[in-house]
Amino acid sequence: EDQVTQSPEALRLQEGESSSLNCSYTVSGLRGLFWYRQDPGKGPEFLFTLYSAGEEKEKERLKATLTKKESFLHITAPKPEDSATYLCAVQALLGSQGNLIFGKGTKLSVKP
Amino acid sequence: DSGVTQTPKHLITATGQRVTLRCSPRSGDLSVYWYQQSLDQGLQFLIQYYNGEERAKGNILERFSAQQFPDLHSELNLSSLELGDSALYFCASSVAAGDRDTQYFGPGTRLTVL
Repeated sequence: EDQVTQSPEALRLQEGESSSLNCSYTVSGLRGLFWYRQDPGKGPEFLFTLYSAGEEKEKERLKATLTKKESFLHITAPKPEDSATYLCAVQALLGSQGNLIFGKGTKLSVKP
Repeated sequence: DSGVTQTPKHLITATGQRVTLRCSPRSGDLSVYWYQQSLDQGLQFLIQYYNGEERAKGNILERFSAQQFPDLHSELNLSSLELGDSALYFCASSVAAGDRDTQYFGPGTRLTVL
């Protein structure tokens, strides 16, 4: 069964304290891995798509990387406005056309 | 703002009732997806429509149904509502049928069943 596991469930950082979030996945074949940010009561906001192992993408303080079994979201020198839940999702080769399988997310809190 | 709109923002109703949630995709997007987000289950895929046709189905209950209209907006109908149906319902849209397409999410409809 296709599955996505994110760790840790929650992460508290001080402003400027860099860290990484993990997303491990088990899929029949990977079409793509997606990272989203979700603020409380709002819809997920797209961050990155990764398609193949070794690929990396960056946006401001965020950098996403992909291996054959997991993805990392590295946060460099975070600010309080980076506080949110970060969701990882995969699109499987043999799954229903187009649908995303989501992990339960990592809730990030950044204290000033 | 993703460009995906959903109405209503909040819905409070009673068990046994029926409700309709509405979604308008981003301009130019042909696919619409519906997801349910509850506290314990996370985001779960319900159903996908592409250019008016059902494309994929997830763990959608028989009490739930959806359709996509010629103007590409979509509606999710939930009937015989139960307490456990209380959740956030999100609509997402993508340009094409879904293979590797980025899905952009709307702001959601919060459904409370009393």
